[in-house]
Amino acid sequence: DSGVTQTPKHLITATGQRVTLRCSPRSGDLSVYWYQQSLDQGLQFLIQYYNGEERAKGNILERFSAQQFPDLHSELNLSSLELGDSALYFCASSAGISGNTIYFGEGSWLTVV
Amino acid sequence: DAKTTQPTSMDCAEGRAANLPCNHSTISGNEYVYWYRQIHSQGPQYIIHGLKNNETNEMASLIITEDRKSSTLILPHATLRDTAVYYCIASLLYNAGNMLTFGGGTRLMVKP
Repeated sequence: DSGVTQTPKHLITATGQRVTLRCSPRSGDLSVYWYQQSLDQGLQFLIQYYNGEERAKGNILERFSAQQFPDLHSELNLSSLELGDSALYFCASSAGISGNTIYFGEGSWLTVV
Repeated sequence: DAKTTQPTSMDCAEGRAANLPCNHSTISGNEYVYWYRQIHSQGPQYIIHGLKNNETNEMASLIITEDRKSSTLILPHATLRDTAVYYCIASLLYNAGNMLTFGGGTRLMVKP
């Protein structure tokens, strides 16, 4: 158990809908990362937040957005969903200090039908 | 982050050492070498990381060549539960942490 908690574990929704994935980082970790893993793309970095502020952006679509709240939990919002958005979405966290290890949650399986 | 190159797949006999190579010939002086593994769609699991010196922990050993252009992850006594995809990543560390760029990894199959 990495200490990173993600909900929901599984989600099935229709095209065009919007979903929110939630992540609770390890206790005390200030940085939160979101990754997407689809069958044909591998693990892709989406976005990083540090202590509530966006720090780095990867291949995140404009239909996707994220935020980190004052209690440090994070949400990834996916809107206007398409079939191709079906994937595993991982949240990860680290203390945020240079040299600290990143730990991953178990992921949220999103299926768009 | 520097590009890393790993074999697509490897086999290892149970109980033997598994040696997973990684090339990172363009690595910069301040990039660390990280190893993660992913067991069948579970979250990637941190194994070990290093900068210049060889490192060892309860899971594995990391051997980095003197010129830092390649490294080897060693699982000393592989078990069936070590069957996974192993990712070698070269990454800078930023003040607020670091982001990891995953490649294709090596699919290690441990066989009885």
